[in-house]
Amino acid sequence: NAGVTQTPKFQVLKTGQSMTLQCAQDMNHNSMYWYRQDPGMGLRLIYYSASEGTTDKGEVPNGYNVSRLNKREFSLRLESAAPSQTSVYFCASRTGAGGRGEQFFGPGTRLTVL
Amino acid sequence: TQLLEQSPQFLSIQEGENLTVYCNSSSVFSSLQWYRQEPGEGPVLLVTVVTGGEVKKLKRLTFQFGDARKDSSLHITAAQPGDTGLYLCAGEGAGTGNQFYFGTGTSLTVIP
Repeated sequence: NAGVTQTPKFQVLKTGQSMTLQCAQDMNHNSMYWYRQDPGMGLRLIYYSASEGTTDKGEVPNGYNVSRLNKREFSLRLESAAPSQTSVYFCASRTGAGGRGEQFFGPGTRLTVL
Repeated sequence: TQLLEQSPQFLSIQEGENLTVYCNSSSVFSSLQWYRQEPGEGPVLLVTVVTGGEVKKLKRLTFQFGDARKDSSLHITAAQPGDTGLYLCAGEGAGTGNQFYFGTGTSLTVIP
């Protein structure tokens, strides 16, 4: 039982390049999330998927796209990376809506855009 | 605009001291969670509070949810070096269908 896994762990991109961050969970959770964490800002929600087949924008969706490939996998794509997207990206999953569901986080992807 | 404001942002105390971290908002939340994050890792859940006025204790940690479900506090008694880390509160928006808003974080250092 690996929990939430993310790949890659580190990535350096040049401005304008594209890449996809991968996330998978093996806990049979319905909901999955993508966050970015910047110094002094806590975590900000980029996109989330409440269930397989649905995705919704969070606080900071501009410049990103997501795909809920199946119940296990939720990917985040940067089509044309910008220096402002330098951040640590976390994927999380949760059983479902309702007050007591715990979010389980992956180890993060550290992205630098030059 | 940050929906949840945490204070203080940084806290450095001696082992054995007590401390309180605050998480405030003008919005109502259906639930509020507290997480602890170590460097290089993802946040790990400490507690979830759901009912206004609810108090939960986890060993030396006491969590309280405000009566109006807009704010929360975390109190640590007799802090230990192992408590060092980044503490984050996260509110589940009422009626937002599963969306969470995180606070700005409190970085705690407990000096032996």
